[in-house]
Amino acid sequence: DVKVTQSSRYLVKRTGEKVFLECVQDMDHENMFWYRQDPGLGLRLIYFSYDVKMKEKGDIPEGYSVSREKKERFSLILESASTNQTSMYLCASSSRGLETQYFGPGTRLLVL
Amino acid sequence: ILNVEQSPQSLHVQEGDSTNFTCSFPSSNFYALHWYRWETAKSPEALFVMTLNGDEKKKGRISATLNTKEGYSYLYIKGSQPEDSATYLCAFITGGFKTIFGAGTRLFVKA
Repeated sequence: DVKVTQSSRYLVKRTGEKVFLECVQDMDHENMFWYRQDPGLGLRLIYFSYDVKMKEKGDIPEGYSVSREKKERFSLILESASTNQTSMYLCASSSRGLETQYFGPGTRLLVL
Repeated sequence: ILNVEQSPQSLHVQEGDSTNFTCSFPSSNFYALHWYRWETAKSPEALFVMTLNGDEKKKGRISATLNTKEGYSYLYIKGSQPEDSATYLCAFITGGFKTIFGAGTRLFVKA
């Protein structure tokens, strides 16, 4: 079974802090994604990566950066957290060819 | 701007009822449509991957149809059970391999 794990289920941070969200997948997938999910909105793509050291902006990249130094790990970085970044963050991975995405359990981030 | 709409936003049904909901997407530049089920406190899980106009997929009591020419997909649940309670997400994948999710339909099944 594909397993996608995220470093934290719940996180509370203060405005201005640097925040790291880690995602690890164990199925040797090429593609990895970071989404945020807010009430009444669909999953919105922040960044995705289709290979090690490669990254592409999604629909809402402002205020975020990513890192993919190893194939299995994709990190989302909030350089200076703001209250409007309070959200549920979901990581996903898929094999090349845009097959089904496999999701992690999500990290609920609260920025005070 | 590519838009994927799901309706209704939420749905309350009684156990045993059959129900259906809709995903509307652009009718051009279609590559695939995915359906996911997202239960509370769990990760979204894939239900169906649909690629061809007229596709019908079935998994147990859940089935889905696809019309790429008019830009919609229906998800049907026959004889709803409380364990079907979840948010059902559709995702439209374009020919340029961009994935756009709908906001989901939240289903509540009362025993």
